[in-house]
Amino acid sequence: KNEVEQSPQNLTAQEGEFITINCSYSVGISALHWLQQHPGGGIVSLFMLSSGKKKHGRLIATINIQEKHSSLHITASHPRDSAVYICAVSNFGNEKLTFGTGTRLTIIP
Amino acid sequence: DTGVSQNPRHKITKRGQNVTFRCDPISEHNRLYWYRQTLGQGPEFLTYFQNEAQLEKSRLLSDRFSAERPKGSFSTLEIQRTEQGDSAMYLCASSLWEGGRVNSYEQYFGPGTRLTVT
Repeated sequence: KNEVEQSPQNLTAQEGEFITINCSYSVGISALHWLQQHPGGGIVSLFMLSSGKKKHGRLIATINIQEKHSSLHITASHPRDSAVYICAVSNFGNEKLTFGTGTRLTIIP
Repeated sequence: DTGVSQNPRHKITKRGQNVTFRCDPISEHNRLYWYRQTLGQGPEFLTYFQNEAQLEKSRLLSDRFSAERPKGSFSTLEIQRTEQGDSAMYLCASSLWEGGRVNSYEQYFGPGTRLTVT
């Protein structure tokens, strides 16, 4: 069993739909990260959180430490949101990231 | 630009050749990480430095791989005698680690170097 599991692996939705991507992890963490990767490879950090909820524009990230679960929500989705969204957790001390396999999101106009 | 940069962006090499990649972190960042990402997978940790000290290496990093950060600024990752299985995106990230403060955990990624071994 991988330390970080994401679902779904692929998600296709119509423009305007509410999107939810889930992440579960099995180890103790210092923080959970949501990352966005566009074709070509560049990775951008969206959120880093260790408790509660964070919001940035149309993106919302939540984490439940007791259940070892996090969700990334996108409201009013847009074709430019199409990308791979990756959940990662960082370890205490070395802070190296352990990544999920990513969710490929496609938003259709 | 003060982001993380990586060179080259793409490298095509023949099996058995040596390759070297460079990463320039954000200037004040003391930690530098190397990750590798194969097609359709999430990245995997390879190694990391705090200043010039290499503090951890993954068992993914065979003895054909070596990484350095000689002055605690830029880092190089060398692969000797490349194999087709080395084909991947090599990602570098940096962070400012200041102990227990939450803000020290965020990593900033470079654009990656895509290696193709033929």
